[in-house]
Amino acid sequence: DTGVSQDPRHKITKRGQNVTFRCDPISEHNRLYWYRQTLGQGPEFLTYFQNEAQLEKSRLLSDRFSAERPKGSFSTLEIQRTEQGDSAMYLCASSLVGTGDNEQFFGPGTRLTVL
Amino acid sequence: AQSVTQLDSHVSVSEGTPVLLRCNYSSSYSPSLFWYVQHPNKGLQLLLKYTSAATLVKGINGFEAEFKKSETSFHLTKPSAHMSDAAEYFCVVSRPSGAGNMLTFGGGTRLMVKP
Repeated sequence: DTGVSQDPRHKITKRGQNVTFRCDPISEHNRLYWYRQTLGQGPEFLTYFQNEAQLEKSRLLSDRFSAERPKGSFSTLEIQRTEQGDSAMYLCASSLVGTGDNEQFFGPGTRLTVL
Repeated sequence: AQSVTQLDSHVSVSEGTPVLLRCNYSSSYSPSLFWYVQHPNKGLQLLLKYTSAATLVKGINGFEAEFKKSETSFHLTKPSAHMSDAAEYFCVVSRPSGAGNMLTFGGGTRLMVKP
């Protein structure tokens, strides 16, 4: 399968714990995006990388959220001291800059439940 | 700034009848516009995209959308609904490539198809 993959698909955690999600983009894609989708809403943009550089992070929801893409390939999204309001689907997407409209391809998401 | 309004949160049609999902957008730039579909427990899939070429855009599975700048609309249509079309549909506007292609999603329209 050459699509975007995310791991884990589901995560249940207790309030106050830290969680980390991984995203593997389509192999030749140089841009990687993170979105959050709460129940009944459309996804909202969080942050994005071009290669290993994080070019936009002002939309991260708080300083408890951080993302990395150390080698310009896979990325991780970490949430520290989780709160019940963090329960949502976290989506990753990737695209290849320079191919016209830079279509974003989405992974299946990681569903986080904070108890 | 950019925003998307999907005018109906739920649409119900009978199988074989036409589908109309309405979307209005606001953008400070010449927008790229997309429709994505999300089936239960599946990732977001691109249906079609408008990127300043033809104003009538044809997508997968018989869907099409028309960009109307004067009305700031990008409504999604299909002549004849199929049971497999039942899903959540998102209208999306994108910032230009140089600004990161951040996607802004509408709130979604849930399409229900009755036998």
